[in-house]
Amino acid sequence: DAGVTQSPTHLIKTRGQQVTLRCSPKSGHDTVSWYQQALGQGPQFIFQYYEEEERQRGNFPDRFSGHQFPNYSSELNVNALLLGDSALYLCASSLLAGLWEAGDEQFFGPGTRLTVL
Amino acid sequence: AQSVTQLGSHVSVSEGALVLLRCNYSSSVPPYLFWYVQYPNQGLQLLLKYTSAATLVKGINGFEAEFKKSETSFHLTKPSAHMSDAAEYFCAVSLNTGNQFYFGTGTSLTVIP
Repeated sequence: DAGVTQSPTHLIKTRGQQVTLRCSPKSGHDTVSWYQQALGQGPQFIFQYYEEEERQRGNFPDRFSGHQFPNYSSELNVNALLLGDSALYLCASSLLAGLWEAGDEQFFGPGTRLTVL
Repeated sequence: AQSVTQLGSHVSVSEGALVLLRCNYSSSVPPYLFWYVQYPNQGLQLLLKYTSAATLVKGINGFEAEFKKSETSFHLTKPSAHMSDAAEYFCAVSLNTGNQFYFGTGTSLTVIP
């Protein structure tokens, strides 16, 4: 099992551009969550996808959007990039109706490091 | 609402000394609590979790944490620090497997040889 995978590993963009990040969940997981981790900070929840729909959303502007595909993989899109969007973007997969006791916690991918110049 | 506070953004210990990383939580309902470790340029790895089964939780790499409801705390400890423990540690709270995680701001652990 490859666990949660993310691509690309690193990305450099300029202000105003658009970016797409990709995530493949752990085998058997049906839910994907995205987090933004700014330098020196803890991860902040962006949104969560389940059954190809946005299920929960954190305090992020509409420039941040996402998608989930029938195979449960997901994309995070950010439009009109700002310098402040530079961060490590983490994808986490989980089982929506899982049990903590059964080990159904969120598994995190290695992240995509986005630098906006 | 749920939130986590980690006291001490930087902690330094000598190799072989006790590691104590502090975490206090706020939750309107019984929480599930987690400690994650992050090594440079890597994602988050689960160290341990509290899911109400036992208040003293043992995790990987010799770490353990105790849930104290009266103190709303979930401090992480390790009896003897190793050089490989140097990393960033995050405490997190969630309500269930389908809910988002709320993370603290992290504690950077330095181990001095």
